[in-house]
Amino acid sequence: AQSVTQLDSHVSVSEGTPVLLRCNYSSSYSPSLFWYVQHPNKGLQLLLKYTSAATLVKGINGFEAEFKKSETSFHLTKPSAHMSDAAEYFCVVPYNFNKFYFGSGTKLNVKP
Amino acid sequence: GAVVSQHPSRVICKSGTSVKIECRSLDFQATTMFWYRQFPKQSLMLMATSNEGSKATYEQGVEKDKFLINHASLTLSTLTVTSAHPEDSSFYICSAKTSGGDYNEQFFGPGTRLTVL
Repeated sequence: AQSVTQLDSHVSVSEGTPVLLRCNYSSSYSPSLFWYVQHPNKGLQLLLKYTSAATLVKGINGFEAEFKKSETSFHLTKPSAHMSDAAEYFCVVPYNFNKFYFGSGTKLNVKP
Repeated sequence: GAVVSQHPSRVICKSGTSVKIECRSLDFQATTMFWYRQFPKQSLMLMATSNEGSKATYEQGVEKDKFLINHASLTLSTLTVTSAHPEDSSFYICSAKTSGGDYNEQFFGPGTRLTVL
């Protein structure tokens, strides 16, 4: 079965400092993996996706994530946080042909 | 491209009434659409999968008679919450898949906030 675990429910950083949002996956094979962002009362926007091409994936707004099979991880990073990055972030793994399994989400707070 | 809209964005209704939420793919044909529910401070839970022209497939624990889904065309799916009760208050989000392109990617609508009084 496919699943993802987001290790932190809340992360707080200062503006201009690095961001690390952690995601571990469980899969019987090499999965596809996604990161989505949700701003308050908004739908989800795709940040980036891993589909077994390059293990280091670059996304929008300066975010990137690295697929590490040995660690079963797909952590999301950004070198320098911006106030507009404050949102909730979901790690997602597809399963059963069509469906998405969402992680529990990590709320990112960016302090001025 | 790949824009999904939802209407309405917010709806408040009285207990016992029915509410219809529309999900449209604006610039692509969506062979499959999904309906999710998100409770406050929680993650998205898949409610059902709908394929154009066929009956929706509901996840375990989701009442199909309460949450009626219709996917009558390749660009429109509707979710009707029948006889709504306060516990149905939630954020409902739809997503859509194309038949081509990235096999797994889903495109999400902006969500509908339902409040049942």
